Amino acid sequence: DGGITQSPKYLFRKEGQNVTLSCEQNLNHDAMYWYRQDPGQGLRLIYYSQIVNDFQKGDIAEGYSVSREKKESFPLTVTSAQKNPTAFYLCASSIEGSFNQPQHFGDGTRLSIL
Amino acid sequence: QQQVKQSPQSLIVQKGGISIINCAYENTAFDYFPWYQQFPGKGPALLIAIRPDVSEKKEGRFTISFNKSAKQFSLHIMDSQPGDSATYFCAAYILTGGGNKLTFGTGTQLKVEL
Repeated sequence: DGGITQSPKYLFRKEGQNVTLSCEQNLNHDAMYWYRQDPGQGLRLIYYSQIVNDFQKGDIAEGYSVSREKKESFPLTVTSAQKNPTAFYLCASSIEGSFNQPQHFGDGTRLSIL
Repeated sequence: QQQVKQSPQSLIVQKGGISIINCAYENTAFDYFPWYQQFPGKGPALLIAIRPDVSEKKEGRFTISFNKSAKQFSLHIMDSQPGDSATYFCAAYILTGGGNKLTFGTGTQLKVEL
């Protein structure tokens, strides 16, 4: 079945540590996205990528970094510069430029501070 | 400003009742309005969507009503069931030259009681 796989499901970060969240899709979608979800704040866009080897900052990119070396993969690194990383992180993908095609989401990674 | 305001924050409905969630937007450049349903520990999934040239769209027990002049849209869940208990997000698209960027509302936690 086609879909988006996020791993790990739970992740713990120590002070000063960088951690990387994995996102893989087999939907052959061009565009991929990372969102952060906090209680009562909805989903906020961190980074997005429309094509391989290209990505843009979203609304809350500070303290995060991404790469898009392969079409099917869009890993997110939460750096030590992100002072409040505890949140639920969601990866999504969509067919490029087709606004009547929805974004498909993975089941998320919950990141906590040790 | 690219903002979507959603209300109420939480909602309790009796089984068989009608659940109503409202959203309002400011930017008239939005051109597609999806609703997402999210169960605990899962990513959001597209429920139903509407374009601004249509005033109402119905899919089964779910209906979107859209008021373009008031810049408001709402989700109605008829004959609400306990299985509908979830968090619902409204959203809006702006096409920005490729890649559909979603702006989300803050979410409504719906609980349907027996």
